[in-house]
Amino acid sequence: DQQVKQNSPSLSVQEGRISILNCDYTNSMFDYFLWYKKYPAEGPTFLISISSIKDKNEDGRFTVFLNKSAKHLSLHIVPSQPGDSAVYFCAASAISFQKLVFGTGTRLLVSP
Amino acid sequence: EAQVTQNPRYLITVTGKKLTVTCSQNMNHEYMSWYRQDPGLGLRQIYYSMNVEVTDKGDVPEGYKVSRKEKRNFPLILESPSPNQTSLYFCASSLMRPNTGELFFGEGSRLTVL
Repeated sequence: DQQVKQNSPSLSVQEGRISILNCDYTNSMFDYFLWYKKYPAEGPTFLISISSIKDKNEDGRFTVFLNKSAKHLSLHIVPSQPGDSAVYFCAASAISFQKLVFGTGTRLLVSP
Repeated sequence: EAQVTQNPRYLITVTGKKLTVTCSQNMNHEYMSWYRQDPGLGLRQIYYSMNVEVTDKGDVPEGYKVSRKEKRNFPLILESPSPNQTSLYFCASSLMRPNTGELFFGEGSRLTVL
């Protein structure tokens, strides 16, 4: 039962353009959402998060949008840079959870 | 430097030969967890620990054991490895339960069971 879904296994974008990575969830109890970035041969690293009381959180080139009614969140990267090429994992949690529930990941390739 | 350290980073073993993957964090974190990453399945939690001597099963605990005798260490034990345990394993830690705080991950341990 995949509670957090990333339906696009990969995404290719040109440098300077916007990258939009999508994530859907099914569990209404989730109240906190995070994005992690993973480079090859490294562990995932935290990128940005959002609480369910907000619908947008911005950090530099990265913005996460949350649509609770649609159970959907997205990560926008503007402008995209070649160094952003990585696998991006969406994750969700709730106050009663003892873990983060991860999606399957989206591989982003930003070409010069 | 704040970090989560896993060893070994790479290991090839044979079915049934017991092995231990060590994990150590130097951030005085209470919460530690093991995940495995498999193609098309993302990161799935194996076991977690809220504090010393407190451990519990995650989503895919079968075939694994853990212990938390010290705050900094959280080894993952495969008593009798099988080929379906071939995977990329990550240890992670956070100050408290990770629902509002970020998890810090180790660099991963790639295990192949023949």
